[in-house]
Amino acid sequence: QQQVKQSPQSLIVQKGGISIINCAYENTAFDYFPWYQQFPGKGPALLIAIRPDVSEKKEGRFTISFNKSAKQFSLHIMDSQPGDSATYFCAASDRGSTLGRLYFGRGTQLTVWP
Amino acid sequence: GAVVSQHPSRVICKSGTSVKIECRSLDFQATTMFWYRQFPKQSLMLMATSNEGSKATYEQGVEKDKFLINHASLTLSTLTVTSAHPEDSSFYICSAPRGGTGNTIYFGEGSWLTVV
Repeated sequence: QQQVKQSPQSLIVQKGGISIINCAYENTAFDYFPWYQQFPGKGPALLIAIRPDVSEKKEGRFTISFNKSAKQFSLHIMDSQPGDSATYFCAASDRGSTLGRLYFGRGTQLTVWP
Repeated sequence: GAVVSQHPSRVICKSGTSVKIECRSLDFQATTMFWYRQFPKQSLMLMATSNEGSKATYEQGVEKDKFLINHASLTLSTLTVTSAHPEDSSFYICSAPRGGTGNTIYFGEGSWLTVV
């Protein structure tokens, strides 16, 4: 059973556009929601993370929006650049149970055209 | 810079041999580390939870006798693939939570294993 559902599977955006990736979860015990960026042949790199006590977090061109009642969260990449082309994974963790155990979405392959 | 280091980044071994992959937390201690496996164009699949000073916890379907995990110190966990076969070829990645409450979870760079 997929604990975290991610969409779309792939996304093509023009340079300068906004990339939006959505995730949904069921387990209300989740209290940590990170996004990871992965380039081919590399390990996932932490991009940005949010906790359920805030509805939005922004770091540079990357913003997480969090809707606790809907159990959804999304990643917005503003002014998308070709260098942002990578696979993005959302994840969730219940730090009260297994510290550091992450449940991953299936990933979104983002392509930004110049 | 990297906060979790993995070694080797790439390894090729012959079928039937064993290979060890190391995962180190840099400048922080990790009582728990995680080992994932990732196939091309797929998500990360958790294999096992490595616990310092005790036995690892394996996910359902993961052969504990094939994938030996040792967490001998607070900064080092090792994954040994025993009697490797070509189907074990994959990208293996470790992670470690950093911070008193698992504040941030960092991943290593991953290790490509090719069994020939």
